[in-house]
Amino acid sequence: GAGVSQSPRYKVTKRGQDVALRCDPISGHVSLYWYRQALGQGPEFLTYFNYEAQQDKSGLPNDRFSAERPEGSISTLTIQRTEQRDSAMYRCASSRRLEETQYFGPGTRLLVL
Amino acid sequence: GENVEQHPSTLSVQEGDSAVIKCTYSDSASNYFPWYKQELGKGPQLIIDIRSNVGEKKDQRIAVTLNKTAKHFSLHITETQPEDSAVYFCAAPLKAAGNKLTFGGGTRVLVKP
Repeated sequence: GAGVSQSPRYKVTKRGQDVALRCDPISGHVSLYWYRQALGQGPEFLTYFNYEAQQDKSGLPNDRFSAERPEGSISTLTIQRTEQRDSAMYRCASSRRLEETQYFGPGTRLLVL
Repeated sequence: GENVEQHPSTLSVQEGDSAVIKCTYSDSASNYFPWYKQELGKGPQLIIDIRSNVGEKKDQRIAVTLNKTAKHFSLHITETQPEDSAVYFCAAPLKAAGNKLTFGGGTRVLVKP
C-alpha cells in the first residue's frame, strides 16, 4: 500500500513569505507527527495529532509555526514570515495508533533565501 | 534534560564483519525502542524495534538488545553487506517529555567491500 506522502518535495521561498507543507498519512493511521531534521542530525519533534486533535505542540520553535489536521487525515504545517533559519528538511510520520510504529514520509526540503 | 545519546557517530567495517551501535536514554519509563535506517535522499525507514518486556529481538542479520536497568539498547548487524551502508538512528519515547519520540544523533555506517 501507499506510504506517507509529502508535498511539495522541495520548496524555495524568499524570507518573509509564508509556506504551507502538506502531509498525507498512511490510510487508516490515526496519529500523525511532524519533525524537522537538520543535515547530519536526527529528526527533532515538532508536534503531533491524534485524529484531528493536536495533542502536543511543545516542539514548535515559535508562534510562526502552526499545524492543523481538520478532518483527521491530511495535515498542513504552516510557517509564517519565513526566516533563513527555518531552512531544513521537514518530515511527517504516521502511526496506526498512538505509541505504535511511526512510518516516515520522504520529507519536504525547505530553503529560505 | 531528557535525551537519547548514540555512539559511535561514524563506523567503518569490512564487508562480512559485524557492526554494533549503542544508545542510552535517560527516562526509565521509556518502553519502546525503534531503530531507523536512513539512506541518502530518503526518509528514515524502520528496520527493527523492541518493547521493554523483552531483552532481545532478532530479524535475520539484525538484532536489538535492551538493558532496562542500565538504560541502554544496541543494534547489531552481522555479516555486513555494502547495502547496509547508511545512517542509523535510535529513538525512544521519553515519557517525561510527553511521550515524544526522541532520536539519537545518528551513526554513519560505511561497509567497505
